[in-house]
Amino acid sequence: EPEVTQTPSHQVTQMGQEVILRCVPISNHLYFYWYRQILGQKVEFLVSFYNNEISEKSEIFDDQFSVERPDGSNFTLKIRSTKLEDSAMYFCASSDTGELFFGEGSRLTVL
Amino acid sequence: KNEVEQSPQNLTAQEGEFITINCSYSVGISALHWLQQHPGGGIVSLFMLSSGKKKHGRLIATINIQEKHSSLHITASHPRDSAVYICAVRVSGNTPLVFGKGTRLSVIA
Repeated sequence: EPEVTQTPSHQVTQMGQEVILRCVPISNHLYFYWYRQILGQKVEFLVSFYNNEISEKSEIFDDQFSVERPDGSNFTLKIRSTKLEDSAMYFCASSDTGELFFGEGSRLTVL
Repeated sequence: KNEVEQSPQNLTAQEGEFITINCSYSVGISALHWLQQHPGGGIVSLFMLSSGKKKHGRLIATINIQEKHSSLHITASHPRDSAVYICAVRVSGNTPLVFGKGTRLSVIA
């Protein structure tokens, strides 16, 4: 069964460092999303991507965040200068007909 | 802005019990999703529905569009059903999901 894969599964970084989280969505899907979940809180939307550009972004997705699709398969989320409050689980998801397929998540710990 | 409320927040059941988790939302939607989050954190989609009822194995999901309410039922619950169950809604098309806080279910043998 096709699946969304995310790397790394866990990353520990120092405050102020840049982090890149990677996602390989399901190959024929057209819609891609990044969500995050701070420990103990609900999942929150960050950004959606369609046709190689951002289609929607939340208030959380400020200038320190960026997304790219550097090639035909990978989909990346970059956090330019991490803060303590960026510590969270980051989920990538992809969709074609509306049903969402999630990756296993990347746990980011900022020290 | 759509608010998604789930109840109960926490639920402990004995193995074999019939379980119901409720979800209500405030604004009209195009689809409602029920998701399962494993203890390790991964999220799996259980159902996407826009009307009526869907069944998969021991899981049943219903939605009442007029009342803006959905329920997830688990029949003959088993310890492996222990997880967080999340309700999430989509306003239209492929717009982003708005999530509820989840219901933590523990099924005891």
